[in-house]
Amino acid sequence: SQKIEQNSEALNIQEGKTATLTCNYTNYSPAYLQWYRQDPGRGPVFLLLIRENEKEKRKERLKVTFDTTLKQSLFHITASQPADSATYLCALTKGNYQLIWGAGTKLIIKP
Amino acid sequence: GAVVSQHPSRVICKSGTSVKIECRSLDFQATTMFWYRQFPKQSLMLMATSNEGSKATYEQGVEKDKFLINHASLTLSTLTVTSAHPEDSSFYICSARDSGGGSTDTQYFGPGTRLTVL
Repeated sequence: SQKIEQNSEALNIQEGKTATLTCNYTNYSPAYLQWYRQDPGRGPVFLLLIRENEKEKRKERLKVTFDTTLKQSLFHITASQPADSATYLCALTKGNYQLIWGAGTKLIIKP
Repeated sequence: GAVVSQHPSRVICKSGTSVKIECRSLDFQATTMFWYRQFPKQSLMLMATSNEGSKATYEQGVEKDKFLINHASLTLSTLTVTSAHPEDSSFYICSARDSGGGSTDTQYFGPGTRLTVL
């Protein structure tokens, strides 16, 4: 069955450094992959979408890569700030507009 | 743009009562909306896909008679938890797909509803 894996352990990063989160998937070849941010007690917020024919996508301090050979996406936040602390979810297209979700990685940016 | 509202944000009810949660797309039309529930520190679990003007499609293991979904317009979907029990206590989140957003599956989420059944 289709499976998405994100590091379940919280990631602690010093303010100003680059945070890198990983999303691995198996038994699947998605047309695109998405990253969302979720704060406690809130719904997820869409950040970036990257298609299978795109190697890299950028938006301000965010960068996403998509390696369909490794079946992996990396999500980078450069010049990280305490306000970037949240749980980051990756999601893959399942078809019929449905998404398959990873469990998310909690990112903590320390001042 | 792409704002989704959800109401109420928090509800506490007695066991056996029914609770209705509303999900609205405020600045776009959504032919497809999704209802999720999420337990602490766990992934989003899709409950059902709501299509405007037709019956909802429920995921395996989700009781359609217990979780009634109505998607009567392009901007509103409702989830009614009938005869609620304490085990129904959870964080319910809706999302909407922008019908004018092309072929991508980007979903825009509401802020969620925290349901507590006593």
